[in-house]
Amino acid sequence: QSVLTQPPSASGTPGQRVTISCSGSSSNIGSSFVNWYQQVPGTAPTLLIYANNQRPSGVPDRISGSKSGTSASLAISGLQSKDEADYYCAAWDPSLNEFFFGSGTKVTVL
Amino acid sequence: EVQLVESGGGLVKPGGSLTLSCAASGFTFTNTWMSWARQAPGKGLEWVGRVRTRFDTGTTDYAAPVKGRFTISRDDSENTVGLQMDSLKIEDTAVYYCIVGFGDHWGQGTQVIVSS
Repeated sequence: QSVLTQPPSASGTPGQRVTISCSGSSSNIGSSFVNWYQQVPGTAPTLLIYANNQRPSGVPDRISGSKSGTSASLAISGLQSKDEADYYCAAWDPSLNEFFFGSGTKVTVL
Repeated sequence: EVQLVESGGGLVKPGGSLTLSCAASGFTFTNTWMSWARQAPGKGLEWVGRVRTRFDTGTTDYAAPVKGRFTISRDDSENTVGLQMDSLKIEDTAVYYCIVGFGDHWGQGTQVIVSS
């Protein structure tokens, strides 16, 4: 049972908007920044969003993140076939001194 | 360009030990916290632990499943970070990733298989 809960799957057609949720608690998401990572099957993860809503250079602005209370969300607009991947949220838990990844969401482009 | 190259993975028996190493380049290593994460076959990502910079005490934090068995260290003169794994269990089988901070950049990973 993951500390951070994500839906196992999400899907959309090309051009649509997909949103992935990440639910935590006051001791992790509620107390820390949230990061999001993308992992294309067979490759290493890459950072997609840091500090709740900041994009590293090279990440397009159709990717966005938000946080409210003990939950966070990742939105992918203008869905493309190259967006097919697994997506993970993550946050630090200062009460446990541990960093937790979410359970992961597989995005399928129909 | 940031590069992280892991090495040292392999097959080890339960109860055995293994040491992984990560060679880092392309950024100011001495000013950067480093972490390890892992991914068991067909499973999600799991954080293993981190080492702070020597300017931030150089101390470490670990995930509960590995605390007391794994040790992370850094060598600022060589720009390397190590992961000493003792008392290995079958459930430690995974691809182990070296990462900058909490995932700013990731290595390609090295496979560790714990099996009798």
